[in-house]
Amino acid sequence: KNEVEQSPQNLTAQEGEFITINCSYSVGISALHWLQQHPGGGIVSLFMLSSGKKKHGRLIATINIQEKHSSLHITASHPRDSAVYICAVFEYNNNDMRFGAGTRLTVKP
Amino acid sequence: GAGVSQTPSNKVTEKGKYVELRCDPISGHTALYWYRQSLGQGPEFLIYFQGTGAADDSGLPNDRFFAVRPEGSVSTLKIQRTERGDSAVYLCASSLTVGGRGEHNEQFFGPGTRLTVL
Repeated sequence: KNEVEQSPQNLTAQEGEFITINCSYSVGISALHWLQQHPGGGIVSLFMLSSGKKKHGRLIATINIQEKHSSLHITASHPRDSAVYICAVFEYNNNDMRFGAGTRLTVKP
Repeated sequence: GAGVSQTPSNKVTEKGKYVELRCDPISGHTALYWYRQSLGQGPEFLIYFQGTGAADDSGLPNDRFFAVRPEGSVSTLKIQRTERGDSAVYLCASSLTVGGRGEHNEQFFGPGTRLTVL
């Protein structure tokens, strides 16, 4: 079993829809990353959080440390949001990141 | 360009050959990470440098893989006797100093090197 599980694996939405991507992890962590990867491979860090909630534009990330769960929300989705969204955790007392397999999001106009 | 850069962007080689992949981190970032991403999967950790030293190389799959960072800036990932299974995108990321147990800073990723072993 992967230490970081994401759902769904694939998600297709219509432009304007509210999107939720979920991430569950099984290890103790010090922080969690949400990353965006566009076709061609470039990875961009969207959020790094260890508690509560962060918001940047139309993106919102929440984390519940007790439940070992995080969600990434996209409001008013747009075709340019189409990408793979990856959840990654910094395992506590460790120096590497553990990655989920990613959620492929396609937003149709 | 102040971001992480990686060269080459693409590398095609034959089975059994030796390859070197280069990463230029963001200036001032002392932490450097190498990851490998196979098609359709999330990245997996290979090795982490804090300064010049490999602080954690537990992700290197076998002794054909080796990485150096002699001056604490540029890093080179070296793969000997390449195998078809080594084909993947190799990603490098850098961050500010890791401040101790559990204190990690945001990582900035390079564009990756796509390695294809024929």
